[in-house]
Amino acid sequence: DIQMTQSPSFVSASVGDRVTITCRASQGIDRFLAWYQQKPGKAPSLLIYAASSLQSGVPSRFSGSGSGTDFTLTISSLQPEDFATYYCQQAKSFPFTFGPGTKVDIK
Amino acid sequence: EVQLVESGGVLVQPGGSLRLSCETSGFAFSTSEMTWVRQAPGKGLQWVSYIIGSGTVIYQADSVKGRFTISRDNNRNSLFLQMSSLRVEDTAIYYCARVNRGQHLSMDVWGNGTTVTVSS
Repeated sequence: DIQMTQSPSFVSASVGDRVTITCRASQGIDRFLAWYQQKPGKAPSLLIYAASSLQSGVPSRFSGSGSGTDFTLTISSLQPEDFATYYCQQAKSFPFTFGPGTKVDIK
Repeated sequence: EVQLVESGGVLVQPGGSLRLSCETSGFAFSTSEMTWVRQAPGKGLQWVSYIIGSGTVIYQADSVKGRFTISRDNNRNSLFLQMSSLRVEDTAIYYCARVNRGQHLSMDVWGNGTTVTVSS
């Protein structure tokens, strides 16, 4: 199975800050990497697919990069509605696996 | 509007059985790949099972293999998860999601989830 790790597990940031979250796969997954946002009590929602493609309707302050084993999600200017938990997920092979999540909290 | 609505989650005793449903609308269900993902209380996301449009190809997590069965009824635009031999560790919110092959198999639409509690 492909293991996914994320760092940091927790980020304390202020509105307007640039936030970067890293995701690493235990083996190469090409660009079969998605990022999801989950707010408390809500279902996850897709932010980024194919490592760097922005899902329709997602603000352009979100961006993704990387390929192979190392990936990054960047929020260029954190907004109040961005405080949430973020998960990466590989879809290169079954079983699909998620990272453990990164919680972005208000400083 | 694309919609996924899960149902069937209840409190069940260990060893019991349960069938979850996911009713869909607003997209071509019969040609869509679908999946179940769960989230235990206070924990992260865990993929459970996947099925292609025709229902002929299925993948499952090792943790549920032999106990859970994913299926679909394309005439009713519905996805199911038959759960048996339930364990306390199966307690979770269960989400159904559409898998978008054109978007590198990302899960682009999610339901709101249904809660399964396994407890005596």
